[in-house]
Amino acid sequence: DVKVTQSSRYLVKRTGEKVFLECVQDMDHENMFWYRQDPGLGLRLIYFSYDVKMKEKGDIPEGYSVSREKKERFSLILESASTNQTSMYLCASSSRGTNTEAFFGQGTRLTVV
Amino acid sequence: AQSVTQLGSHVSVSEGALVLLRCNYSSSVPPYLFWYVQYPNQGLQLLLKYTTGATLVKGINGFEAEFKKSETSFHLTKPSAHMSDAAEYFCAVSGNAGNMLTFGGGTRLMVKP
Repeated sequence: DVKVTQSSRYLVKRTGEKVFLECVQDMDHENMFWYRQDPGLGLRLIYFSYDVKMKEKGDIPEGYSVSREKKERFSLILESASTNQTSMYLCASSSRGTNTEAFFGQGTRLTVV
Repeated sequence: AQSVTQLGSHVSVSEGALVLLRCNYSSSVPPYLFWYVQYPNQGLQLLLKYTTGATLVKGINGFEAEFKKSETSFHLTKPSAHMSDAAEYFCAVSGNAGNMLTFGGGTRLMVKP
């Protein structure tokens, strides 16, 4: 069974903290994504990686960074968490190509207080 | 640039009634179109995807979608709603080699007994 695993389902962090969200996939996929999900806004792409150490900004990269040191792992970093980053974060992966299915993790619900 | 618009953030139907969820897209290149479903407290899973050449696409759980290029639409239908269909549905488009998905705002489907 294919899997994208996010390290935490729920996180509560304080304003100003540095936050790491981890994602691991076991399908040897080249592409990995971080999305943010907010009611009424759907999913918005934060960052995208198409290979190890490669990254591209998505639609809303401000306040975030990413790291991809190994093919199977893609980390999202909130350098200094703020309350407006309270949201559901979804990681996904896909193989190379233009019509390939993206597989999603269960999501991490982050609350910044 | 590509974008997706889902008309209606909430749709309510009676059990056994027709389900129609609307999706319109814009894309500067031939689009790759997807419908995903998200059940409560879960990640997204693929319902169906558009493959070039086929106008009617069948997916899982009895859902299907019709691609209409002239209307730039990819509406999702199911002839008879079931209580288990209650979920949030997302239309997405990918039009680039990076396979970045752009999502609509989502439609929450409610099924009344």
